[in-house]
Amino acid sequence: ETGVTQSPTHLIKTRGQQVTLRCSSQSGHNTVSWYQQALGQGPQFIFQYYREEENGRGNFPPRFSGLQFPNYSSELNVNALELDDSALYLCASTFGTANYGYTFGSGTRLTVV
Amino acid sequence: KNEVEQSPQNLTAQEGEFITINCSYSVGISALHWLQQHPGGGIVSLFMLSSGKKKHGRLIATINIQEKHSSLHITASHPRDSAVYICAAWMDSSYKLIFGSGTRLLVRP
Repeated sequence: ETGVTQSPTHLIKTRGQQVTLRCSSQSGHNTVSWYQQALGQGPQFIFQYYREEENGRGNFPPRFSGLQFPNYSSELNVNALELDDSALYLCASTFGTANYGYTFGSGTRLTVV
Repeated sequence: KNEVEQSPQNLTAQEGEFITINCSYSVGISALHWLQQHPGGGIVSLFMLSSGKKKHGRLIATINIQEKHSSLHITASHPRDSAVYICAAWMDSSYKLIFGSGTRLLVRP
């Protein structure tokens, strides 16, 4: 399968709830990174996983956590949702850690009310 | 000051015009990406470059590592080029991409 697939495409949650976003990486890609993009801003790096281990993290609190599975699909979990968590969440996959080029998903738009 | 800065933030052009979007970065990088994001949110990678110039169709990207500056040019712009263009710098030291805030381009027919 080619391309990066994210689900769901849209999601509305209530403040305080928990959410899980999913990303299916491009075939053969063993690195996945997650980004948060607020309206009108560029994406901000949340964290990156390589071969199921986190190998990089941006300035996001611990309530943002992730998992990468042996088939290289991954999840982003956010606990205790806050209104400011409303954003587009993007995942991108690549091969290895040497920046051979990323393939981006279309994103999940999360609205916290 | 952001590590990666783009200009202009917004750009409106008439169809056929030559367009330039600029990206400056303040730290050492090994590569820079130019990305295109359409209103639905999906991002398409246009170029990844570490030196010199790359061309694909009507798009040209250049980078000057010494000056820490890159430009994306669109020749003979078309309304379908309307999108947000984002540059992202690859930080070898931290294995991550740092994004600019994007340039919103509108090409009028």
